[in-house]
Amino acid sequence: AQKVTQAQTEISVVEKEDVTLDCVYETRDTTYYLFWYKQPPSGELVFLIRRNSFDEQNEISGRYSWNFQKSTSSFNFTITASQVVDSAVYFCALSELGDSSYKLIFGSGTRLLVRP
Amino acid sequence: DTGVSQDPRHKITKRGQNVTFRCDPISEHNRLYWYRQTLGQGPEFLTYFQNEAQLEKSRLLSDRFSAERPKGSFSTLEIQRTEQGDSAMYLCASSGTGRNTEAFFGQGTRLTVV
Repeated sequence: AQKVTQAQTEISVVEKEDVTLDCVYETRDTTYYLFWYKQPPSGELVFLIRRNSFDEQNEISGRYSWNFQKSTSSFNFTITASQVVDSAVYFCALSELGDSSYKLIFGSGTRLLVRP
Repeated sequence: DTGVSQDPRHKITKRGQNVTFRCDPISEHNRLYWYRQTLGQGPEFLTYFQNEAQLEKSRLLSDRFSAERPKGSFSTLEIQRTEQGDSAMYLCASSGTGRNTEAFFGQGTRLTVV
């Protein structure tokens, strides 16, 4: 069965600290996509990154970086030098059937609080 | 086009009443999804349209729920005879098709059944 696990329910850090959000997934498909979304208090899910199962290169975008490891079925997200504006709930998600916009299976989310 | 739009943003209703939510997707997107999110959980898939055809429904979508997308543009989600357990955030998303697309979400409709 397909499943996404975000074991960290809540993380609290002080501004400028680095923080890593963990994501572990389960799927029987060989072709799948992984995503991270950010949900600020306004409620809208904001797309951050999409990764397909054939591309294990790590990616960096500004202060954000992602580490995809198929061997451990993990897709972790690191924020470097965190800022108060990073405070939000972050969701990892999985899409199967080789279709990146097919229905998403979400983890339960990690609430990140960045304190000044 | 500024993104996926949902209306209303908040709805409070008495148990047993019917409610209807509307979603306007990004105009060039032919796929539209409804998700439900309860407090402290991630969104859960409810149903999916490609153009006007409803292609998949989750078992979460009981007989009291119905969704339509009559002209392949906006969609409505109706809940009949609401129950307290229906209280949740209802999120709509839209996307194009293909291997390198992603779903864009609206701000959701928060339903409270009292």
